[in-house]
Amino acid sequence: GQQLNQSPQSMFIQEGEDVSMNCTSSSIFNTWLWYKQDPGEGPVLLIALYKAGELTSNGRLTAQFGITRKDSFLNISASIPSDVGIYFCAGHAGANSKLTFGKGITLSVRP
Amino acid sequence: KAGVTQTPRYLIKTRGQQVTLSCSPISGHRSVSWYQQTPGQGLQFLFEYFSETQRNKGNFPGRFSGRQFSNSRSEMNVSTLELGDSALYLCASSLVAENTGELFFGEGSRLTVL
Repeated sequence: GQQLNQSPQSMFIQEGEDVSMNCTSSSIFNTWLWYKQDPGEGPVLLIALYKAGELTSNGRLTAQFGITRKDSFLNISASIPSDVGIYFCAGHAGANSKLTFGKGITLSVRP
Repeated sequence: KAGVTQTPRYLIKTRGQQVTLSCSPISGHRSVSWYQQTPGQGLQFLFEYFSETQRNKGNFPGRFSGRQFSNSRSEMNVSTLELGDSALYLCASSLVAENTGELFFGEGSRLTVL
């Protein structure tokens, strides 16, 4: 079945640093999405990408849809303590298909 | 506008019992999806319902079932519980008929099986 690969499992950065996360797949997706999960809550959509090569920003977040349609990256600039959480990439192959999630990266930000 | 509401938030069951979890989607959302989240496996898709019909199903045994009512509320049931069923069960709703992957999640129901 479809699998999304996210690594490493955990990342530790200093407040103010930039961080980049990658997500790769052996399958092609029509939509790439990035979600963040805070402790005790459900995931929240950060960014959705609909076209190969698309680069989209949302505040300090920037994400890109890879041109092969098999990968995406998320960049967080000037990290702050509230950026801590689990970041999931997700891929959607089109109508009537399920949303497939990566296993997530736990981000810790040291003040 | 109220978000996705899941009940109960926490529950403890023993092996062999069954459990029913409830999900009320955001008003106007007709698509409801269920996911199982565990530390080792991440978010695993269980099933998706739209207009009371199961539109998609993940690779879980038949002990896991669900349904959706005419008001879009959904329930999932797990019968003959096993220790490995301990997890956070997340429900998500979507506005559009054609699921684009843009989901709104509830806070989840944390199930512990002893």
